[in-house]
Amino acid sequence: LAKTTQPISMDSYEGQEVNITCSHNNIATNDYITWYQQFPSQGPRFIIQGYKTKVTNEVASLFIPADRKSSTLSLPRVSLSDTAVYYCLVGLPDTGRRALTFGSGTRLQVQP
Amino acid sequence: NAGVTQTPKFQVLKTGQSMTLQCAQDMNHNSMYWYRQDPGMGLRLIYYSASEGTTDKGEVPNGYNVSRLNKREFSLRLESAAPSQTSVYFCASSVRLAGITDTQYFGPGTRLTVL
Repeated sequence: LAKTTQPISMDSYEGQEVNITCSHNNIATNDYITWYQQFPSQGPRFIIQGYKTKVTNEVASLFIPADRKSSTLSLPRVSLSDTAVYYCLVGLPDTGRRALTFGSGTRLQVQP
Repeated sequence: NAGVTQTPKFQVLKTGQSMTLQCAQDMNHNSMYWYRQDPGMGLRLIYYSASEGTTDKGEVPNGYNVSRLNKREFSLRLESAAPSQTSVYFCASSVRLAGITDTQYFGPGTRLTVL
């Protein structure tokens, strides 16, 4: 299983751009990179997923360098409601075929 | 659509008691999962079911059993609860969205305390 390493916590202010980097040195050729967000007392929620280069949706952008050994989740202009734990996952594209490892995540605190 | 629902929301058990956590999804997903999350920690996979009629062990299956009753329902059973099983339990289901891998949808969780 590809192990992921993320910062334990980050602080930011409203309106700033936040970049959370995830290291996954042992990523396999077929692995995809997925990010989830979890608010207190709730289950995780899918944010974005990618394989290489850059992916953007209405919530975030995901940057993946050519060697794919790391990835960066970018949250533009964060607000207080973005305070949450963010998890980076690395996994195979097969339905239910492997154990997904969530790790401890990055706790983002957004200040006014 | 209700998405993924879990019952109960809260439960307190005594050591040695048994109970079943229920999970249902109305999104017609094939795959379902059970995770546990200990305080301040990430989620750990207990069991998963790739399709109706199949189940497989995850990272931490000891002390648990599961049943994939039908496509909608996936239950988790604790036969003899232990204090180490105090945790928040999340059920999830997943679907393959066009062009990308499975996306998991999580339920609200069941907070279990074993005394």
